[in-house]
Amino acid sequence: QSALTQPPSASGSPGQSITISCTGTSSDVGGHDAVSWYQQHPGKAPKLMIYEVTKRLSGVPDRFSGSKSGNTASLTVSGLQVDDEADYYCTSYAGNDNLLFGGGTKLTVL
Amino acid sequence: VQLVESGGGLVRPGGSLRLSCAVSGFTFSSAGMDWVRQAPGKGLEWVALIYYDGIKTKYAESVRGRFTISRDNSKNLLYLQMNSLRVDDTAVYYCARHGNEWSRDHWGQGTLVTVSS
Repeated sequence: QSALTQPPSASGSPGQSITISCTGTSSDVGGHDAVSWYQQHPGKAPKLMIYEVTKRLSGVPDRFSGSKSGNTASLTVSGLQVDDEADYYCTSYAGNDNLLFGGGTKLTVL
Repeated sequence: VQLVESGGGLVRPGGSLRLSCAVSGFTFSSAGMDWVRQAPGKGLEWVALIYYDGIKTKYAESVRGRFTISRDNSKNLLYLQMNSLRVDDTAVYYCARHGNEWSRDHWGQGTLVTVSS
């Protein structure tokens, strides 16, 4: 299986909203409601933010939301804050005990 | 919940290394676990998974036949035995706990493996 496709970079100003896409196929993103999103600050471990496409992990601000349409999942961050600047990764179940990762998106808060 | 990796270091190409992940704060024997790696400046790459009972395992194509994931539920330890190491295995290796619907809800801080002559 190929990795999921994410834009390499995204940016926004404090207070703005941005959306990061994660594109797969009907065998992974489109075929299962098992998309997760992770935030990773430099030098730190990844942190689960969103699972099952839309569910926020306890403690994650409601400024973070997930959605899916067809073979593309999306992470929206509203009311951007400086601390949201990080790398974001999507994952999706791809059947047969396979988990695919996206290539990651570097979010810059200008 | 705490996951703490150890065992990383510098190894020559063709060498071997065993990573450990010590867990606490949850019932380890009920949780599936992964190893995920990140090469310097690169994205995350899934390496291997093991189910709660240690019976079922799965590997990425890039490590199959060279790496072995295992666990000791009596000691709350997860392992990754890495043989025939290559330069492109250089990465920070994370252990991660299986969460709901194929999410990974807790991660260790990572241990660095450097393969170089």
